[in-house]
Parts: sequence; structure tokens; C-alpha cells
Amino acid sequence: AQSVTQLDSQVPVFEEAPVELRCNYSSSVSVYLFWYVQYPNQGLQLLLKYLSGSTLVKGINGFEAEFNKSQTSFHLRKPSVHISDTAEYFCAVSFSGGYNKLIFGAGTRLAVHP
Amino acid sequence: DVKVTQSSRYLVKRTGEKVFLECVQDMDHENMFWYRQDPGLGLRLIYFSYDVKMKEKGDIPEGYSVSREKKERFSLILESASTNQTSMYLCASSFRTRTSGRDGHEQYFGPGTRLTVT
Repeated sequence: AQSVTQLDSQVPVFEEAPVELRCNYSSSVSVYLFWYVQYPNQGLQLLLKYLSGSTLVKGINGFEAEFNKSQTSFHLRKPSVHISDTAEYFCAVSFSGGYNKLIFGAGTRLAVHP
Repeated sequence: DVKVTQSSRYLVKRTGEKVFLECVQDMDHENMFWYRQDPGLGLRLIYFSYDVKMKEKGDIPEGYSVSREKKERFSLILESASTNQTSMYLCASSFRTRTSGRDGHEQYFGPGTRLTVT
């Protein structure tokens, strides 16, 4: 069975510091990988996705993620965070032929402090 | 811009009531999804639909049913609401790659309905 593990439930960080949100997945088939962000009282918005090709993926708002097949990871990074990045971040996977259904991790709450 | 709208942002219902949550999308997407979001559990798929009148169970369908009579509208029904169904409900939609030929990997989400069952 496929699963997604986000290793940190909460990540506090100071403004302008770098941040990494960790995501590992388990699957016996090829996967597609996603990071979504949820700002307070809103739905989810796609940050970035890996479908194929280059393992380093750049997304919106200065975020990037690297697909590491050998470590089954897809960690999200930003070199310098802003207060406005405070939100919940979800890692998700889908599989070829699966109606594009997503399996989500439990989420990581990023809190950026001044 | 893709728009997914949900009928209510906040809803309070009593135990045993029948509850309807409505979702409408305006992008001609074939796929529509209902998720439940709970703290520490992320999003869990309740039901999805890949075409009008077609539906498939997700990971937690018990206590829920769905209806898709028109392509743009997907309804989630709680036949007899219980307190353990208090949660945030999120609707999403996407293209169906196999039939439309368009990239269906990105799901577009509505703002969510926070349901409280007392």
C-alpha cells in the first residue's frame, strides 16, 4: 500500500531563515509527487509538482523540492522565509492509472516568527 | 481562473439530521473529489467521481454517500449525521487525463466547509 509521511508536524522558524519540510513516501509503483499549501481558512493551493524529468522542481513563492528516488523522499525547501509563508503544508502522491487520486501526508505547520 | 465553490463555509447540524454539502466547479473537469480534513490526519478521500453518475469509494466512505447528476456539481450527503463527522470537508476537481488528454495531476480545491454536528 502507498503512504506518505511528513516527518515534522510543526516547524518554527525565524523570518529570513532557510527552511526544509520533510516528506517520505512508500510505494511499489512509480509516483507523482506534490506539495500543497493551505493558508488559514482557505482551501489547498498547489505549490509544485514532480511528474518526470529533472529531480529538482521549482514552484511558486520561491519554494523548491528535490525528488530522491533512492531515499523515497521529496523534501520542500525555501532559502529565506517570510511571515506570509506561515501556513500548513501537505505532501501528496498519486499513481499512474489511479484517476489521479491523491494520498496526503498529515501536514506540517510552518510558523514564521519575526 | 479555475473556480471551485462550496455551498457553505460553516455549518452546524444536529445528530441524526441529513446533511447536504454542495460543490460546483466551472472548468469542465471530469474528476471531482470529496475529502475530509482532520488535525494530525491530513486529508482523507471519502468519494470521488470520474464522470456524471459515476462514483467510486475512497478510503473512508462509511456514513457518506454522493451524487453527481451534472458534470459541474458533486454533492456529499451525510445520511444521518453523527458527532464523529464533525470536520472540515474539502471538495476538489481535476481533468481526467485518459479521456480529455489534458494534464489531470493538479487538483483544484474549494475553500472548505467546516461542519459541526452537535
